[in-house]
Amino acid sequence: EAGVTQFPSHSVIEKGQTVTLRCDPISGHDNLYWYRRVMGKEIKFLLHFVKESKQDESGMPNNRFLAERTGGTYSTLKVQPAELEDSGVYFCASSNSGANVLTFGAGSRLTVL
Amino acid sequence: DAKTTQPTSMDCAEGRAANLPCNHSTISGNEYVYWYRQIHSQGPQYIIHGLKNNETNEMASLIITEDRKSSTLILPHATLRDTAVYYCIVRFNTGGFKTIFGAGTRLFVKA
Repeated sequence: EAGVTQFPSHSVIEKGQTVTLRCDPISGHDNLYWYRRVMGKEIKFLLHFVKESKQDESGMPNNRFLAERTGGTYSTLKVQPAELEDSGVYFCASSNSGANVLTFGAGSRLTVL
Repeated sequence: DAKTTQPTSMDCAEGRAANLPCNHSTISGNEYVYWYRQIHSQGPQYIIHGLKNNETNEMASLIITEDRKSSTLILPHATLRDTAVYYCIVRFNTGGFKTIFGAGTRLFVKA
């Protein structure tokens, strides 16, 4: 079984540019989560999809962040325009509807210069 | 979700058992104790979870006190690759509840 896949593994952009991160969950997993870890801080919850619907987006920092999961398969997280404080590692995780164990991807490291 | 308290860091000698404590004095009756770990530059990894009975799997053992106010994660024979940040998380075991990470315990396994 393929795990959770995230792309790109590392992105370096300038302040004001746009970046789109992609997450492919484990096939058949209805639940998809985005987290991020800013340097020196704890891992923070961003949002939770159940299939294509946003179940909980209470952790999204501001309206520069847009997450989508069209069709309930892969998800994208767009940051537009990126700011310096957006730098960090963005993790995606998935779980199936009957389990509460999260399987995480390796993360996408975002560096905003 | 209930708050947990863990030591900031711990050391363990390679080959010895690593015992990582966690306090969760405000845990409610239906909340489970979960443990994850994050090895440097990797995504968090699930280790084990339990409600009130002790649990064991191929990675670790989880000992939960009878009053459920604290628990201990045991890595029976720690290796250098077990050096990581270990997170104790309390949450309901149903969908729709998010997993909240705290600061965790940074475990250093030394040769």
